[in-house]
Amino acid sequence: DAGITQSPRHKVTETGTPVTLRCHQTENHRYMYWYRQDPGHGLRLIHYSYGVKDTDKGEVSDGYSVSRSKTEDFLLTLESATSSQTSVYFCAISKDTGRGYTFGSGTRLTVV
Amino acid sequence: QKEVEQNSGPLSVPEGAIASLNCTYSDRGSQSFFWYRQYSGKSPELIMSIYSNGDKEDGRFTAQLNKASQYVSLLIRDSQPSDSATYLCAVNGSGGSNYKLTFGKGTLLTVNP
Repeated sequence: DAGITQSPRHKVTETGTPVTLRCHQTENHRYMYWYRQDPGHGLRLIHYSYGVKDTDKGEVSDGYSVSRSKTEDFLLTLESATSSQTSVYFCAISKDTGRGYTFGSGTRLTVV
Repeated sequence: QKEVEQNSGPLSVPEGAIASLNCTYSDRGSQSFFWYRQYSGKSPELIMSIYSNGDKEDGRFTAQLNKASQYVSLLIRDSQPSDSATYLCAVNGSGGSNYKLTFGKGTLLTVNP
């Protein structure tokens, strides 16, 4: 997938526990994004990064935080997982503004 | 809130026919437009990008853009069963948001043998 990997691929966790999802790229792209995809809602932006230590909120950021300490890694943390955060999470990368994204394979997260 | 609208479908066409997928967007300042294909259980895959008014062809795929009408479309000629997937329209933001894409909810296409 063009040098972008997500881990884990699947995870089941309990309500109230913290969870961290990892996105790793080998393309040296500047922009990285976290989306969630839910039936009836499509892809919604959670957080994004436009450089190391430069991050900002998307449209559904409540309950999530991110960090980017290196160009290649973008971490998404659910601070206290809730059942409403059960979803498929996609990381995406982009080289420049106005370019399309390349997506990772996704992480299927179930909160029980 | 910038919006991207697509018919959810399902759109069903016979093998060999032309499939026509449509998308409208609300941000008049958008300059970059994309079509993604997503197979069930897989991640979205970029299949077409278009930046100027008019048509852009790539193999069996043609993207059409009309900025005045805020309308983007994707035509798939000689549709094959392997084209059965959900097609997502994506549009970039304007101004300081031009590196963020907003996605439509997708149109499910089924090509019947």
